[in-house]
Amino acid sequence: QVQLVQSGSELKKPGASVKVSCKASGYTFTSYAMNWVRQAPGQGLEWMGWINTNTGNPTYAQGFTGRFVFSLDTSVSTAYLQISSLKAEDTAVYYCARGDQIRSWFDPWGQGTLVTVSS
Amino acid sequence: QSALTQPASVSGSPGQSITISCTGTSSDVGSYNLVSWYQQHPGKAPKLMIYEVSKRPSGVSNRFSGSKSGNTASLTISGLQAEDEADYYCCSYAGSSNVVFGGGTKLTVL
Repeated sequence: QVQLVQSGSELKKPGASVKVSCKASGYTFTSYAMNWVRQAPGQGLEWMGWINTNTGNPTYAQGFTGRFVFSLDTSVSTAYLQISSLKAEDTAVYYCARGDQIRSWFDPWGQGTLVTVSS
Repeated sequence: QSALTQPASVSGSPGQSITISCTGTSSDVGSYNLVSWYQQHPGKAPKLMIYEVSKRPSGVSNRFSGSKSGNTASLTISGLQAEDEADYYCCSYAGSSNVVFGGGTKLTVL
């Protein structure tokens, strides 16, 4: 079955970096886009952007430029989200979600990775 | 890009029908038939319930339906069941490769 499995929870200090992985299985990885979505504690969903799994070209939503980097390793069907210079306000659950090329749907979603930034 | 507007909460009794609205602008909901809806139970990942305004993915109950009029999309759940209690989010394509989510609606089954 189509599945996205994300890496485990992370506890980081302010200023550090974190890299979240999202391993896909059950479908051809390069046939669909990969999106990233943030959910701060008790808050709603926020689309961070997407990466074209064919070209590796990322697109970042407003507010997610500079410290956020999407990347791929197509040899292992895995997408990555790296966040640098972590701040307390980056504390959130980060989801990867498979999408079509026109962003009309996100399905399935990974189980989410909690990133906690605290000194 | 501003978030789509959803009511913070709705409620209904088992067996009843409820509708959750999702209001955007002429730049997102009003311009594209690319509205989707997601169900999220506490501590779980979101699940796709409706895409392209009114299409249901395989495996989603036909009690869930979607529609759109102008800048407002709607999700209707008929024959409300206890397991429907969750948060619901709408989402729309907003042009230029952008996507916007709604703020979410908490559904309580009384």
